[in-house]
Amino acid sequence: DQQVKQNSPSLSVQEGRISILNCDYTNSMFDYFLWYKKYPAEGPTFLISISSIKDKNEDGRFTVFLNKSAKHLSLHIVPSQPGDSAVYFCAARSTRSWGKLQFGAGTQVVVTP
Amino acid sequence: DVKVTQSSRYLVKRTGEKVFLECVQDMDHENMFWYRQDPGLGLRLIYFSYDVKMKEKGDIPEGYSVSREKKERFSLILESASTNQTSMYLCASSVIRVGTEEAFFGQGTRLTVV
Repeated sequence: DQQVKQNSPSLSVQEGRISILNCDYTNSMFDYFLWYKKYPAEGPTFLISISSIKDKNEDGRFTVFLNKSAKHLSLHIVPSQPGDSAVYFCAARSTRSWGKLQFGAGTQVVVTP
Repeated sequence: DVKVTQSSRYLVKRTGEKVFLECVQDMDHENMFWYRQDPGLGLRLIYFSYDVKMKEKGDIPEGYSVSREKKERFSLILESASTNQTSMYLCASSVIRVGTEEAFFGQGTRLTVV
């Protein structure tokens, strides 16, 4: 029973345009959400996070939006660059769970010239 | 820089072998985790540990065990490797602190069981 869902396995976007990645969750106890980026043959690297008390967090080209009532978050990348081509994982945790992260299935982003 | 190091990048083992995957972190983190990554399934938690000698089952612990004798080291053990354990294995560590919530991952071990 996947508690974090990324329903789009892949996304293709042109360089310079906006990439929007979506993530839905079912567990209302989640209070922290993270996005990780992963290149092939490497471990995931942390990208950006958001606490459940906020609805937006921005870091450079990356912005994460949280809609708690809809149990939905999204990651916006503006502008998209070729180096952004990677798999992006949405993750969530609750304070009561010893920091365990629940991950979505990932979205493969391809940025084309 | 936080560093999480996994002992092998690639491993090939035979069915029925006992397999050890080692992970070391250098940031004095309390929490350590083992995940496996499979296409279409994302990262799934196998086991985690929140202190030395403490361990908790994750979502898919069957066929695995773990050992944490020292704070910096967390080992994943495949008791009798099977082909359905062919996967990418990822170790991670983290500390629970207000405002510092991310887990740091190792580079991964690609295990093939033949």
